[in-house]
Amino acid sequence: DAGVIQSPRHEVTEMGQEVTLRCKPISGHDYLFWYRQTMMRGLELLIYFNNNVPIDDSGMPEDRFSAKMPNASFSTLKIQPSEPRDSAVYFCASSLAGTGGSEQFFGPGTRLTVL
Amino acid sequence: GQQVMQIPQYQHVQEGEDFTTYCNSSTTLSNIQWYKQRPGGHPVFLIQLVKSGEVKKQKRLTFQFGEAKKNSSLHITATQTTDVGTYFCAGRLTDLSGGSYIPTFGRGTSLIVHP
Repeated sequence: DAGVIQSPRHEVTEMGQEVTLRCKPISGHDYLFWYRQTMMRGLELLIYFNNNVPIDDSGMPEDRFSAKMPNASFSTLKIQPSEPRDSAVYFCASSLAGTGGSEQFFGPGTRLTVL
Repeated sequence: GQQVMQIPQYQHVQEGEDFTTYCNSSTTLSNIQWYKQRPGGHPVFLIQLVKSGEVKKQKRLTFQFGEAKKNSSLHITATQTTDVGTYFCAGRLTDLSGGSYIPTFGRGTSLIVHP
């Protein structure tokens, strides 16, 4: 298995533009997580899905952020409009059993810079 | 919300010295996981502890879970430059029904090893 795949790896955009981050979880995993990592706030859980259904989006910072999982092999995190404070590394992770103690497999991350 | 506290935030050591990072929760954890993130990389799962008082070893790394299942530690003996990175703990709470919530990550401890 190729592991969790994220695209793009790097994104530079201007304030006000729409940004879409993509994630392909490991095949067969039923949980998918989106995290944001910054020096100031560390690793923050934004939202997670179980069997494609959003379970907890309390970590999503604002209405500008939205996430979807249309099928078991694909998820997107969208920021519209983007702001400079959204600059961070965004990780997607998947696991087999979110509540059973299974490890999370992280993707390589997308480094987002909003100018 | 519930937090998992991790200290110290940074640790500088000379190569060959030992290193320890601590993780604490105000509530009982069903299990705790440890991850390592190399500079520029993504978190990678190291180990999971489940039982009260559990101790596990991986070569020079020793992981402990407290008797009350509220704290954990990671100890590295005789650090090497390859140990450089940020070490995260991720604790899972236990809800009233006995299930486990999604893990909460600590802020991480960044280890800097000077040759």
